[in-house]
Amino acid sequence: DTEVTQTPKHLVMGMTNKKSLKCEQHMGHRAMYWYKQKAKKPPELMFVYSYEKLSINESVPSRFSPECPNSSLLNLHLHALQPEDSALYLCASSPRGTGLNEKLFFGSGTQLSVL
Amino acid sequence: GENVGLHLPTLSVQEGDNSIINCAYSNSASDYFIWYKQESGKGPQFIIDIRSNMDKRQGQRVTVLLNKTVKHLSLQIAATQPGDSAVYFCAENGGGGGADGLTFGKGTHLIIQP
Repeated sequence: DTEVTQTPKHLVMGMTNKKSLKCEQHMGHRAMYWYKQKAKKPPELMFVYSYEKLSINESVPSRFSPECPNSSLLNLHLHALQPEDSALYLCASSPRGTGLNEKLFFGSGTQLSVL
Repeated sequence: GENVGLHLPTLSVQEGDNSIINCAYSNSASDYFIWYKQESGKGPQFIIDIRSNMDKRQGQRVTVLLNKTVKHLSLQIAATQPGDSAVYFCAENGGGGGADGLTFGKGTHLIIQP
């Protein structure tokens, strides 16, 4: 299995809602990532988990809350989002958790619309 | 007026021609570089990578060239096909050495003319 699976594929939520994005990989990768991508823009790093510990938080607002329950799963909890948070949210994984440069494997993303 | 910030650079090539997509990076400490292809509605897909101790690497129909002196990266696609239509991003690791994630360049939209 060489896939990163993200659910849901599409999500529409109001500004008072609470929702979660889910990501799963079964490649035995030890680092997992959340990226945000606005239309016609490059992906921007939000969070990095290395060996299930949060290692990077790129100054993301607290209305985004990541969680890594185990080495295969990554969640992004959303609360009180703003319309400008509408974007494609991408999950990625990489084989080794620290110290080595390596390619990231991306999921297809969750297209989020905040009304 | 025109919002230039919303427009991706575009490269239009004839089917069968070679394509060259360029990327300038800013972090001189970066030592690992990747090219990704992103089709509409999909996540970025790995094409080819190169480490800073190399200046050229070849894959199937693709070649990456790295010029560290001027901090420039290019992707050459031979005999471009309709399935090559996509947005292409270069990405760099920032030289941090850890699982720091990748920083992506602006992207180029490759359009294949029949």
